[in-house]
Amino acid sequence: QKEVEQDPGPLSVPEGAIVSLNCTYSNSAFQYFMWYRQYSRKGPELLMYTYSSGNKEDGRFTAQVDKSSKYISLFIRDSQPSDSATYLCAMSGNSGGYQKVTFGTGTKLQVIP
Amino acid sequence: GAVVSQHPSRVICKSGTSVKIECRSLDFQATTMFWYRQFPKKSLMLMATSNEGSKATYEQGVEKDKFLINHASLTLSTLTVTSAHPEDSSFYICSARDRERTNYGYTFGSGTRLTVV
Repeated sequence: QKEVEQDPGPLSVPEGAIVSLNCTYSNSAFQYFMWYRQYSRKGPELLMYTYSSGNKEDGRFTAQVDKSSKYISLFIRDSQPSDSATYLCAMSGNSGGYQKVTFGTGTKLQVIP
Repeated sequence: GAVVSQHPSRVICKSGTSVKIECRSLDFQATTMFWYRQFPKKSLMLMATSNEGSKATYEQGVEKDKFLINHASLTLSTLTVTSAHPEDSSFYICSARDRERTNYGYTFGSGTRLTVV
């Protein structure tokens, strides 16, 4: 079983739709949960991070973490064509005495005008 | 915000030659640099982790003599692909961890697309 599971998509939605992106994980040592956005042939950029369980909102983006279910989500409201990208979840926690970050495979999102 | 400058963005080289990729953290001190390789439709694959002034730690299956990593300062790390072969063609990305945000402050470079012909 992979430490982090993420549906690769692709996910196509019409402009203005609410998008829900999700990841599940198996390592209970993960404490920080991050979402990155990656445009084609570019490096990932950090969108949001959350520590432990709870919600965090930033503009049209909301990140949710449910540690009891080992499930994290990213919601995008009023999606725009410019949101079209690959979204990677990432998690970090202590592993063998040092911080380790593990990425999901990424979900490719296409927002259709 | 934190910026990592990665060069070159694209390189084509002949089989058997070496290629050096450079990553610089522009406005923060990177205690740790990570080097990743990314295949199409695949996740980021961690190749190695390097801390400033010490030898890099390579992930299982990554040849340290082929992928030379140098992290000479808190703002500069280099990856040299030695004796490159077509199977080394890939997208290589560095990531720097901010000393002030060690748990989540991973800033990525823009990536280098290497094509070996």
